[in-house]
Amino acid sequence: QVTLRESGPALVKPTQTLTLTCIFSGFSLSTSGMGVTWIRQPPGKALEWLARIDWDDDKYYSTSLETRLTISKDTSRNQVVLTMTNMDPVDTATYYCARAWIAVATIDYWGQGTLVTVSS
Amino acid sequence: DIQMTQSPSSLSASVGDRVTITCRAGQSISSYLNWYQQKPGKAPKLLIYTASSLQSGVPSRFSGSGSGTDFTLTISSLQPEDFATYYCQQSYSTPRTFGQGTKVEIK
Repeated sequence: QVTLRESGPALVKPTQTLTLTCIFSGFSLSTSGMGVTWIRQPPGKALEWLARIDWDDDKYYSTSLETRLTISKDTSRNQVVLTMTNMDPVDTATYYCARAWIAVATIDYWGQGTLVTVSS
Repeated sequence: DIQMTQSPSSLSASVGDRVTITCRAGQSISSYLNWYQQKPGKAPKLLIYTASSLQSGVPSRFSGSGSGTDFTLTISSLQPEDFATYYCQQSYSTPRTFGQGTKVEIK
């Protein structure tokens, strides 16, 4: 059974760095064809793809946010970490991590999401 | 980045109606198109991948078609549990991009 869970602060101040951890089970990031993706959704708005890390440590980022994002993995602990620097109120959103099934180019399992509010 | 445009942005329909949602890509994406369903307060759920493949466990009233730049999600007979927001997403290139969503509401 594949599960993912996001962990991180619910509130960050403007200019701070956000660190989110995705803890997953039921698959391994050492398995060829697997990846973990981060996606966010501001309240009442559409989904926005942020970043992905693959089993071979290839990393991909949103064009508009790549200077602020860093994604990394700890395969032995089944965790993926996303950091976003210089947080702003417009970054207030629910942040999801999800499994990327790269062989069929899709995202098939999602975490429940974690709401991050940026406010002083 | 590949822009994805969905239409309509919202629609009202009745139980039993046939519903069609369209997604257009800004360039050809072959068949690398996924559809997700999202209910309020919940994470999205994969319905269709590679344009027309039904994800395991998804009812057969959902179907997808298209290739190149134009794609369609069809619900053959709308059920009460289908009222939700639907998103398309291209998986042809990174960064992956989503459409703006189509909200299906009760008429």
